[in-house]
Formats: sequence, C-alpha cells, structure tokens
Amino acid sequence: AQSVTQLGSHVSVSEGALVLLRCNYSSSVPPYLFWYVQYPNQGLQLLLKYTSAATLVKGINGFEAEFKKSETSFHLTKPSAHMSDAAEYFCAVTLNFGNEKLTFGTGTRLTIIP
Amino acid sequence: EPEVTQTPSHQVTQMGQEVILRCVPISNHLYFYWYRQILGQKVEFLVSFYNNEISEKSEIFDDQFSVERPDGSNFTLKIRSTKLEDSAMYFCASSTRATGAYEQYFGPGTRLTVT
Repeated sequence: AQSVTQLGSHVSVSEGALVLLRCNYSSSVPPYLFWYVQYPNQGLQLLLKYTSAATLVKGINGFEAEFKKSETSFHLTKPSAHMSDAAEYFCAVTLNFGNEKLTFGTGTRLTIIP
Repeated sequence: EPEVTQTPSHQVTQMGQEVILRCVPISNHLYFYWYRQILGQKVEFLVSFYNNEISEKSEIFDDQFSVERPDGSNFTLKIRSTKLEDSAMYFCASSTRATGAYEQYFGPGTRLTVT
C-alpha cells in the first residue's frame, strides 16, 4: 500500500520569500508522485508530476519539486511567493503500474503574508 | 483546453433520499474516477471505472453507492439512501492512461449537503 505524509497543515510565508511544502511518501514499489493545488471553492489542478524521468520536476506557476528516493521525499518549492499562491496544496501518490488510484496527503494550506 | 465538468455544483438533499451526481469526462479519456473530500479532510478515493466496469473501489464505496456510464459522455455516481455523513465535496476525474501520462484531470466538484 502507498501513502503520503505532508508535514505542516498550515504554512505562512511572506510575499517574495521561498515556499517549501513537504511531502514524504511510502510505497512498496517505485511511485508516481503528484502535487495538486486547490484554490478556494474550486477543484484540484495539477501542478506537477514525477513519473520516473527527471528527478527535478518543473510545474506551472513557477513551482518545482525534487524526487529524492533516499529520503522518500517529494517536496514542493517556489523561489518567490506571490499573493496568488495562497491555496491548499495536496501531495498524491500512485503506483506506477496497474493501480491508478491516487492516495492523497492531508494537505497544506499556504498563506502569503503581504 | 478540454476539461472535466460536473453538475450540479451544489446539491442539497434530505437524509434517505437518492442523489445522482453527474460528470462529463474529457472526451478521449478512458479511465474515470470518483473521489470525495469531507470538509476539512483529505481527498479520498471512492471508485475507478474502465471499460464499463468498476476496476477498483474503496471501503467507503459500499452498497449504497453505484456508478454508471449511461452513454458515451456522462459518468454518474448514485447514492441510494443518503446519510448525514455523505455530506462532502465529490470530485470526478478522468485520465487517458496513455504511456507517460497517468495524471488525472479533476472536475470542479459537486458539494453535497445532506440534511
């Protein structure tokens, strides 16, 4: 079975500061990993995905994430936070064969301080 | 850009009533999913559907739930006799499962309120 743990249910950063949202995964086989963003009263939008190609993955809106197998991590970063980044962020994992079910973390609410 | 659509955006129903939540997946997608998110909690998998049958379902997806693809475009989730604890946001998703893909595209959700 696979799972993800997101450390920090709430993260606040100042506008222009580095954003770091943490995600650790557990999987019995090599995983596929995803970050989704949910703006208030909206659905889930894919930010980026790791599917066993490059370990550093670039996504939309200036976000990127690095897959580190030794640390079982897939942390999301953005060099400079913008007010529009305020949202809920979900890390998700699926096995890379047969089982497409996404298992989500509990989410991290990102607040940007002006 | 193609997108997954869901109707209605908000459904209010009384306990014990049947509800049908509707989804139109992206047209060339073959795999369909329902997830739910109880307020303040994480998104949970309910069921996946491929080739007109359920491919996987979670423990949550008990006998009161059913899914159907009644025509070539719609994908529905039926809750036969709603309970208070069914109140949640329900998301439909679809994917092509083409090589190198695997991402699921989510609809905007239907907020179900059971009173």
